[in-house]
Amino acid sequence: NAGVTQTPKFRVLKTGQSMTLLCAQDMNHEYMYWYRQDPGMGLRLIHYSVGEGTTAKGEVPDGYNVSRLKKQNFLLGLESAAPSQTSVYFCASSRSAGTSYGYTFGSGTRLTVV
Amino acid sequence: AQKITQTQPGMFVQEKEAVTLDCTYDTSDQSYGLFWYKQPSSGEMIFLIYQGSYDEQNATEGRYSLNFQKARKSANLVISASQLGDSAMYFCAMRVASGYSTLTFGKGTMLLVSP
Repeated sequence: NAGVTQTPKFRVLKTGQSMTLLCAQDMNHEYMYWYRQDPGMGLRLIHYSVGEGTTAKGEVPDGYNVSRLKKQNFLLGLESAAPSQTSVYFCASSRSAGTSYGYTFGSGTRLTVV
Repeated sequence: AQKITQTQPGMFVQEKEAVTLDCTYDTSDQSYGLFWYKQPSSGEMIFLIYQGSYDEQNATEGRYSLNFQKARKSANLVISASQLGDSAMYFCAMRVASGYSTLTFGKGTMLLVSP
């Protein structure tokens, strides 16, 4: 019962370095999302995907890129990390875009940019 | 655009007492869903309860109930008989029917349960 798996769980980057966060789900969900969580800010949507090969911008997309080449995977990339991208990143998936469908979340990735 | 407002940054409650966490929402959509999630100190996001905009009765899940007042646009979470394990961050969220809807979250309320 893996659900949504995020790797890595922790990472420290230097300013300017790049990295990719991987999200994998085994529930055959069409919809996948990347959020960031900062103290006092709740969860804010970075990018999302409504199916394989599709991506769309969320509320805070600047500095991030995403790809969904396979239905089960949703990658979040930071091309040139900045201290402002220090955050906890959550991936989530959903079977449908219907209003009664919530998300299944991954366990999060804690990223620190120094 | 959708907005969720949680006005209580932190709440304290004694064990075995009931507590209400406030949530108000703003949307022009008539069809929407309201969710509450719990985030313990371990960090995972745990789904608690769901209420649909057309549901006539308030949702309940064990010790959790959702006090849904549509005219006031409020969806407060009520936890009865608080337990120490209820200490966590609680997020209210909303999903509307229009477009490729995504969950919009509030800023959260930190609940601390004392013995």
